[in-house]
Amino acid sequence: QQPVQSPQAVILREGEDAVINCSSSKALYSVHWYRQKHGEAPVFLMILLKGGEQKGHEKISASFNEKKQQSSLYLTASQLSYSGTYFCGTQVADSWGKFQFGAGTQVVVTP
Amino acid sequence: ETGVTQTPRHLVMGMTNKKSLKCEQHLGHNAMYWYKQSAKKPLELMFVYSLEERVENNSVPSRFSPECPNSSHLFLHLHTLQPEDSALYLCASSQERINVLNTGELFFGEGSRLTVL
Repeated sequence: QQPVQSPQAVILREGEDAVINCSSSKALYSVHWYRQKHGEAPVFLMILLKGGEQKGHEKISASFNEKKQQSSLYLTASQLSYSGTYFCGTQVADSWGKFQFGAGTQVVVTP
Repeated sequence: ETGVTQTPRHLVMGMTNKKSLKCEQHLGHNAMYWYKQSAKKPLELMFVYSLEERVENNSVPSRFSPECPNSSHLFLHLHTLQPEDSALYLCASSQERINVLNTGELFFGEGSRLTVL
C-alpha cells in the first residue's frame, strides 16, 4: 500500500515555513523525497534511512520517525523556487523492500 | 548528453496505432524503470529492468510491451491503447535496482506526454 501524504496542497508566501507529512501503515527501511516542477522531471532531494536521522537540502530538511512510520519534510523560509509537487517514496522493511510513491503535495510559493 | 533522455516528449495516437517510447540513460546505471503519472494519482510503477532483465511487472495490460536491448536503452511499445492510458510516462534509472538489498536515488527523464484519441 502506498504512503499517504498530507496536505494535498499548500500555498505560502515567500519566507514562510511549511511541513509536509508522509506516513505508512508498514514498517519502513527508507524514505525518499523528490520535487517535480511543472513540466519537468522529478528531482531527488534526499533519502532517510531508519534510525531517525535528519537530513537537509538547502533550507529543506526532513526527519524520519521509524516508530511511527512517518517522515516529515520541512520547508524553511520558503523561496519562490520551492514551488512544485513534492513526492515521498517509501521502501518497506520486509523481504521485498518494495518502493512506492505517495500522491504528492503541491506547494505554491507566492511573492 | 547527460542524464536520462526520453523521446518523443509528446505523442498523440489513435486507439489502433502502434507507437514506441524511447528512454536512454548515460549514467552507467544497471536498473531502469517505467512509471505512469496521471493527474492526482501517485506515480505508478509499471516495469523494472535490472541488467537488461525484466524483474518486475506490476499487472500492466499487455497493450504495453517493454523492451530493454541493453543497459542504456529502454523502450515502451504501445498498441491498441485506450483513452484512459493518456498520461505522462516517465523513465527512470538507478545505479542498482531498489529492493531489500539496495536503496538509492532515481534519476528521471522529463517524460513522454501521451494522448490517446
